[in-house]
Amino acid sequence: GESVGLHLPTLSVQEGDNSIINCAYSNSASDYFIWYKQESGKGPQFIIDIRSNMDKRQGQRVTVLLNKTVKHLSLQIAATQPGDSAVYFCADYLTGFQKLVFGTGTRLLVSP
Amino acid sequence: EAGVTQSPTHLIKTRGQQATLRCSPISGHTSVYWYQQALGLGLQFLLWYDEGEERNRGNFPPRFSGRQFPNYSSELNVNALELEDSALYLCASSLAAGQGKPLHFGNGTRLTVT
Repeated sequence: GESVGLHLPTLSVQEGDNSIINCAYSNSASDYFIWYKQESGKGPQFIIDIRSNMDKRQGQRVTVLLNKTVKHLSLQIAATQPGDSAVYFCADYLTGFQKLVFGTGTRLLVSP
Repeated sequence: EAGVTQSPTHLIKTRGQQATLRCSPISGHTSVYWYQQALGLGLQFLLWYDEGEERNRGNFPPRFSGRQFPNYSSELNVNALELEDSALYLCASSLAAGQGKPLHFGNGTRLTVT
């Protein structure tokens, strides 16, 4: 996917709220999905992954949901904290092309 | 365990020059990936190396090249630099290539072309 640069989608939440970040992927052949968190000046940090034979996976304070029918992925963050403020990217693994394709990114802003 | 390390952190070059960026993967990882992230934009796949061989490349001109050494470290070379090459270049590594193995990223090299 291509980011729209300065028009990066932004989600603003209050500390303690639950956050839901959505992502659409385009290739029905994708069979592995990852969420990354990128803080300013740093590289993307692995959060959680899910394979296409699952529709839900939980981690610590995070849950990823996969809907293959509509090619949609979401990341849920429980009890969002100011330290969760970052840009979040979904990525899907393109079987046959052997590369990870990144989505546009969503900026999460958490206010105290 | 040390993560993916990249050097230099910042690099300033002038148009037409060549740039060399270096990456050391996590110990035990054999696959190395390079991505370009222009300011405020998403990550664009550049190159993938595994076991010393180039396995795939993204939609970039041939002046973007690289290699992987026997110790699995890698370097990215960009020849005939253009202003639009200014970006954060991210290296990632993973266990043997394939589905189900997450990429782990370094903090990147910020290349500025003037």
